[in-house]
Amino acid sequence: AQTVTQSQPEMSVQEAETVTLSCTYDTSESNYYLFWYKQPPSRQMILVIRQEAYKQQNATENRFSVNFQKAAKSFSLKISDSQLGDTAMYFCAFMGDQTGANNLFFGTGTRLTVIP
Amino acid sequence: KAGVTQTPRYLIKTRGQQVTLSCSPISGHRSVSWYQQTPGQGLQFLFEYFSETQRNKGNFPGRFSGRQFSNSRSEMNVSTLELGDSALYLCASSPSGMWLYEQYFGPGTRLTVT
Repeated sequence: AQTVTQSQPEMSVQEAETVTLSCTYDTSESNYYLFWYKQPPSRQMILVIRQEAYKQQNATENRFSVNFQKAAKSFSLKISDSQLGDTAMYFCAFMGDQTGANNLFFGTGTRLTVIP
Repeated sequence: KAGVTQTPRYLIKTRGQQVTLSCSPISGHRSVSWYQQTPGQGLQFLFEYFSETQRNKGNFPGRFSGRQFSNSRSEMNVSTLELGDSALYLCASSPSGMWLYEQYFGPGTRLTVT
């Protein structure tokens, strides 16, 4: 079975600072994708960034980047130059080819607050 | 393109009743997945439909069912509602059946069971 663990229920960061959200996962699958989703107070879930497990290079999307450590099964999200609009719940998620298409396993989330 | 839409946005039902939620995917998307979000259990996968066929199902009782129409719109039905079914129900669509495509989420339907 797949498990996704986010050990930080809440975090805060000063505007313009950098923050890192942690995520670990457990799987026996060899082919999978990892995602970070953002859910602002308005509730619409938005994809922030994704990482293919077979790629060694860490994914980057503007101010968002990941540190993917496959052997350690770790997938952390770094947000640089934090903005007020980054305030949201952040979910780490896993999708594997054996567990089926479009079947995401989510962590419990980290509530991030950006302080002006 | 218009995003994923879900109707209704809010719903209040009584224990024992049944409910139907609707999801319209992004135009051209053929896969629709449903998730239940609760404070206690977090986000859990319900099922996924692709080209009118259920391809994948999560660990939920048979009271939860769904279907997909030829235009890719999807409905989910919960029969004999229980208090524990109170949740935010999210649907997500993706362009094809390939698992490497990302999912786009709708705003959700907030179901309250009294």
